[in-house]
Amino acid sequence: GAVVSQHPSWVICKSGTSVKIECRSLDFQATTMFWYRQFPKQSLMLMATSNEGSKATYEQGVEKDKFLINHASLTLSTLTVTSAHPEDSSFYICSATRDRGPIQQPQHFGDGTRLSIL
Amino acid sequence: DAKTTQPNSMESNEEEPVHLPCNHSTISGTDYIHWYRQLPSQGPEYVIHGLTSNVNNRMASLAIAEDRKSSTLILHRATLRDAAVYYCILRPRNAGGTSYGKLTFGQGTILTVHP
Repeated sequence: GAVVSQHPSWVICKSGTSVKIECRSLDFQATTMFWYRQFPKQSLMLMATSNEGSKATYEQGVEKDKFLINHASLTLSTLTVTSAHPEDSSFYICSATRDRGPIQQPQHFGDGTRLSIL
Repeated sequence: DAKTTQPNSMESNEEEPVHLPCNHSTISGTDYIHWYRQLPSQGPEYVIHGLTSNVNNRMASLAIAEDRKSSTLILHRATLRDAAVYYCILRPRNAGGTSYGKLTFGQGTILTVHP
C-alpha cells in the first residue's frame, strides 16, 4: 500500500525555537498534502491543504506566518512551526493523496510527530 | 460540508463480525464516503471508501444504503488489533469533478475488542 513517511517522530525543544517537520510520500506522487493537528483526547483538526508548487490554503484560525508550509515537490511537504511556544505542543500529522481525474483516491497518513515545547 | 453521525463507542468479541454504523443524511451526490481508523499515538490508517456501490477490500467491507444516507463498515472477524477509533467521513468532490475537498474528522467510534 501507499506509504507516507513523517520525520521526526518526536521532538522536544525550548520555547522560541523553530521546528521543521517533513512529510514524504515514498512510493507515489502526491497531488495534495494535508497537515493536521491533534490535541490529547480530541479528533484531528485540519490546519492546511498544500498542492505542489502553489501556496498552501490554511483553515480559519490557523496562523500562516506561524505555521509555514512548503510543498516543493510531488513527494515532499514541510511544516515549520516558527517561534514555537508551549501552546503549540501537539501531535502533528500529515497526509497525502494522489487524486487525479473523477475517481477520488484515499488519503494516506504519516505516523505523526509529537512536538513538545518546554 | 455534510456531517456524519457515529455512535461514541462499540464493543465486540474477538473473531466475531463487527458492524460500525454511520449516518449521513445530508450527503450530496458527489460526496465519497471514507473510513479511517486510528490507534493511540499513531496517524490514521485508511480502511475503505466508496461512492454508491458496496466495496470490499482485504481489511473490510463497506455497505452503502440505497439512498446513501447511511453506511456500515463491516469487519468480518474482529481481532484485538482492530481496536481503534473509527472515523466515517464524507469527502466532497467539487464542481467539475476534478477538484476534491478536505477530510473533516469527527469524534468517531471507539471500538473495543474483547478477547
